[in-house]
Amino acid sequence: DGGITQSPKYLFRKEGQNVTLSCEQNLNHDAMYWYRQDPGQGLRLIYYSQIVNDFQKGDIAEGYSVSREKKESFPLTVTSAQKNPTAFYLCASSAGGALNTEAFFGQGTRLTVV
Amino acid sequence: AQSVTQLGSHVSVSEGALVLLRCNYSSSVPPYLFWYVQYPNQGLQLLLKYTSAATLVKGINGFEAEFKKSETSFHLTKPSAHMSDAAEYFCAVSDRGTGRRALTFGSGTRLQVQP
Repeated sequence: DGGITQSPKYLFRKEGQNVTLSCEQNLNHDAMYWYRQDPGQGLRLIYYSQIVNDFQKGDIAEGYSVSREKKESFPLTVTSAQKNPTAFYLCASSAGGALNTEAFFGQGTRLTVV
Repeated sequence: AQSVTQLGSHVSVSEGALVLLRCNYSSSVPPYLFWYVQYPNQGLQLLLKYTSAATLVKGINGFEAEFKKSETSFHLTKPSAHMSDAAEYFCAVSDRGTGRRALTFGSGTRLQVQP
């Protein structure tokens, strides 16, 4: 089955700790994205990558970091600099290229700071 | 940058009634527009998209949306609501103005369907 796998589904972090969220896709898509979802605010773009070894900041990149060493993988690290990390994180991918291409989403990771 | 506004964070309809979820975009360049649906604690699923081929777009699960340039709108409709339609719905735009290759989402509308 082709798709996007995010792990873990639930994640708990102590304040001051870094944590890494995994995102893997087997759709052979070039582009990958990370969004953060908070109640009533929709999805906000954290980082995106159009090609391996390249990525761009989105609208709320502060306190986050990413890497894109392989086409299939786009892990997101939530650092201790992120002041309010509790949220639902969604990874997505698209075939890239044209702007009329839709994104496909994973099932999300719910991060809670304890 | 292009953006979308979804009017009404919560909409409640009776089963069998018309569903109308509103989305307006702000853009000087005709955008590409998308509607997604999200069920609790899950990812987003594409319902339909407008890519300028036709102004009336039909999607999955009986939903459709009409692109109206004069009103800068892309409202989502379904003639008869079903209990399974209860979910959160997001309108999204592809930024043709800047060429940023990532979708920008509205704040979402939660649809409740009453029996």
